[in-house]
Amino acid sequence: NAGVTQTPKFQVLKTGQSMTLQCAQDMNHEYMSWYRQDPGMGLRLIHYSVGAGITDQGEVPNGYNVSRSTTEDFPLRLLSAAPSQTSVYFCASRDGGALSQYFGPGTRLLVL
Amino acid sequence: AQSVAQPEDQVNVAEGNPLTVKCTYSVSGNPYLFWYVQYPNRGLQFLLKYITGDNLVKGSYGFEAEFNKSQTSFHLKKPSALVSDSALYFCAVRDGGGSQGNLIFGKGTKLSVKP
Repeated sequence: NAGVTQTPKFQVLKTGQSMTLQCAQDMNHEYMSWYRQDPGMGLRLIHYSVGAGITDQGEVPNGYNVSRSTTEDFPLRLLSAAPSQTSVYFCASRDGGALSQYFGPGTRLLVL
Repeated sequence: AQSVAQPEDQVNVAEGNPLTVKCTYSVSGNPYLFWYVQYPNRGLQFLLKYITGDNLVKGSYGFEAEFNKSQTSFHLKKPSALVSDSALYFCAVRDGGGSQGNLIFGKGTKLSVKP
């Protein structure tokens, strides 16, 4: 199993541009989530999904959209990038009954 | 609302000495508690969890954590630190009842182990 994969590893955007961060898992996990990591802030939940076709907002959802058309994929869309969205983004997944989460390697995003 | 606090931004330890990374929590109901480690430029790796049972939980890489209900703490410990233990450590609590919900993370503690 590849586990949780994320692409790209690094991206530079200009303010106002849009992009999609990709996340995929091959473990047939029901739960998937997106976090952002900022210095001194820990990890904050952006959006999550409890299964295909179901998504919900986390702590910091503004400026981000998600969809869950398949069990495997959970892309995160930035509609109009802002410098405040400069961060490291982590995708995570777990089985519905599991207690620990598997994290992807992260995407480092710089918005100029 | 569920929350966790890691009161120390950084912990410095000499190699071979015991280490403790502190975590306190605030939850309604029974806490589901976790420790994760993040090495530079890597994702988070699961270390250990407390769900129920023995208050001393053993995890990966020789780490253990002690659950203390009266002090609402879940401190991470290791009897003898290694330089390779240097990393960022996160305490987390499950948001929601039982196994449901997402993880709420503390702000992280940077552990530095010097030779």
